[in-house]
Amino acid sequence: NAGVTQTPKFRILKIGQSMTLQCTQDMNHNYMYWYRQDPGMGLKLIYYSVGAGITDKGEVPNGYNVSRSTTEDFPLRLELAAPSQTSVYFCASGTGGVYEQYFGPGTRLTVT
Amino acid sequence: AQKVTQAQTEISVVEKEDVTLDCVYETRDTTYYLFWYKQPPSGELVFLIRRNSFDEQNEISGRYSWNFQKSTSSFNFTITASQVVDSAVYFCALSEEDSNYQLIWGAGTKLIIKP
Repeated sequence: NAGVTQTPKFRILKIGQSMTLQCTQDMNHNYMYWYRQDPGMGLKLIYYSVGAGITDKGEVPNGYNVSRSTTEDFPLRLELAAPSQTSVYFCASGTGGVYEQYFGPGTRLTVT
Repeated sequence: AQKVTQAQTEISVVEKEDVTLDCVYETRDTTYYLFWYKQPPSGELVFLIRRNSFDEQNEISGRYSWNFQKSTSSFNFTITASQVVDSAVYFCALSEEDSNYQLIWGAGTKLIIKP
């Protein structure tokens, strides 16, 4: 079992570029989440999905987009990257909001 | 107001000492869930424990124990006989109906265990 996988591990973007962070889980979880973690801070929810075809905004959705066409995949799209999006991005999956979440290894993104 | 407060930004102890990490939460819901996660220096997030609001029994797992007290809205985490491998950032999180059961995270406590 691979669990939750994320690619890439590291990325440097120039201001205004776009990119997609990939997330895949093999645990057949309906719920998937994208978080960002800024230095010395806890996690902030960007977007989440309760099943294929259903997505919703979290606390900090501006500048990001998501899609969920399959149970396994939940890509996060950054459009027009800005320095404020420099962060570590974590994808997670789980069986529901009241249950634990399982996290990917993270993607460290720098926008310069 | 912060819903999950981890007032200890950083704690440093010598190996084999016991250490308690504090977590205070705020919620109006009667049904809610509390979690602890560990983030070692390698960066991944590891689930440690989940507790629902109706179960105030303390939990022990090896050297780890958790003390849940609704009267003080606290869910503290104690490591007994700490080891260097316990060095990590520990996060407390809350899931409540009022927030649509999305995890609300504390800022984390960085625990340093010195050999």
